[in-house]
This record gives sequence, structure tokens and C-alpha cells, in this order.
Amino acid sequence: DAGVTQSPTHLIKTRGQQVTLRCSPISGHKSVSWYQQVLGQGPQFIFQYYEKEERGRGNFPDRFSARQFPNYSSELNVNALLLGDSALYLCASSLEGEETQYFGPGTRLLVL
Amino acid sequence: DAKTTQPPSMDCAEGRAANLPCNHSTISGNEYVYWYRQIHSQGPQYIIHGLKNNETNEMASLIITEDRKSSTLILPHATLRDTAVYYCIVRSYNAGNMLTFGGGTRLMVKP
Repeated sequence: DAGVTQSPTHLIKTRGQQVTLRCSPISGHKSVSWYQQVLGQGPQFIFQYYEKEERGRGNFPDRFSARQFPNYSSELNVNALLLGDSALYLCASSLEGEETQYFGPGTRLLVL
Repeated sequence: DAKTTQPPSMDCAEGRAANLPCNHSTISGNEYVYWYRQIHSQGPQYIIHGLKNNETNEMASLIITEDRKSSTLILPHATLRDTAVYYCIVRSYNAGNMLTFGGGTRLMVKP
């Protein structure tokens, strides 16, 4: 079975631009969570979506937004990019909202 | 969720057991102990989790003390591919699905 997939794998943007990252959960999983991992640190929780509704939000500015589609895939959008947004963005899926999470390989974003 | 304390780094000889400790002295009765690992530049990989009983799967064993204030992840026969950062996380299911990652333990398996 395919695991969590994310696209693109790498991305380079400039300050002020907007970016959309995509995630497809494991088949049958209904919940998707997003994390940001800055170099040298552990992942930080951004959002959780379950059945297309936001179930949790971490301490991130409103420039970060997300949504989940009827097929349970998800997009993370970041507006007005800052240099500090350079990070590995991780998506994790779980069966329901509170089960064990399984992570994808991540999207590495570089903001210049 | 309760905070965890892990040693920043550990070494282990290839073929030997790797025992990774974690302190979670403020853990609550409904909080689970989860272990993930992250090999360089990859997404975190789920290893094992438990509530109060010891658990074993094909990857590792999890030993939780009776008072639940600490736990140990055991990799029975470490290989070079087990070199990674290992994260011990405590979470409760009624707090949503957020995982709070600390600094983890960087395990280096040496030949």
C-alpha cells in the first residue's frame, strides 16, 4: 500500500510569494495534519483536518491556511513568504482524528 | 500534553541492543507514550506506542515503568540503518491529534 505522498518534493520561492503544498493520505485515512520542521529542530504542529473540518491549529500566523478535499487529500497554503518559512513541511495522516499518525516524506521549501 | 526529557545523543555498537530512555514525570493517566524516529531529511517514522503495558512489535520494544514516569525504547539488534533522531512523545487522545516533538535523541550506530 502507498504511504502518505507529498508534492512537490522541493520548492524554491522568493520573499512575498505564495506557495501551495499538497498531501495525499494513506488510503482509508480521513485525517491529515501538517507540521513545519525548521533545520535542527523537531517538527511543529500547524493544522489538523478531519472530515474536511479544521480540528486543531498550532501557533502559526494567518498567512498559513489549509483545506481538506472530499477525497481527504489536503493543501497547505502559505502567503507572503518570509525567509523564516524555509523549512521541511510534513504531512501526516491517520484513520480517524485521534489515531496514530503516519508521516509523508515532506516538501522542502527554500525562500530566498 | 506532558513534556519529555531525552538525552541529546547516544552511541551504540552495531548488533548490540540500543536502549533509549525517556522521562515523562508529569504524564497523566490518559496519556500515551509514542516513539518516532527520523532518518536524515526524511519524514518521521512511527515506531511504537503504549499506555501502561510493555509493548513489542517487529521494530522495537517499549518498556514503561510501573509509575509511568519514564520509558525505554529498545532496538534489540541495532544496525547502521537505525542511525536516526528518536523522538519520545506523550499525548492524550482527547487533546486532538497534535504531536509535540522535543529535541529527541540522536542515535549513532557504529560498526
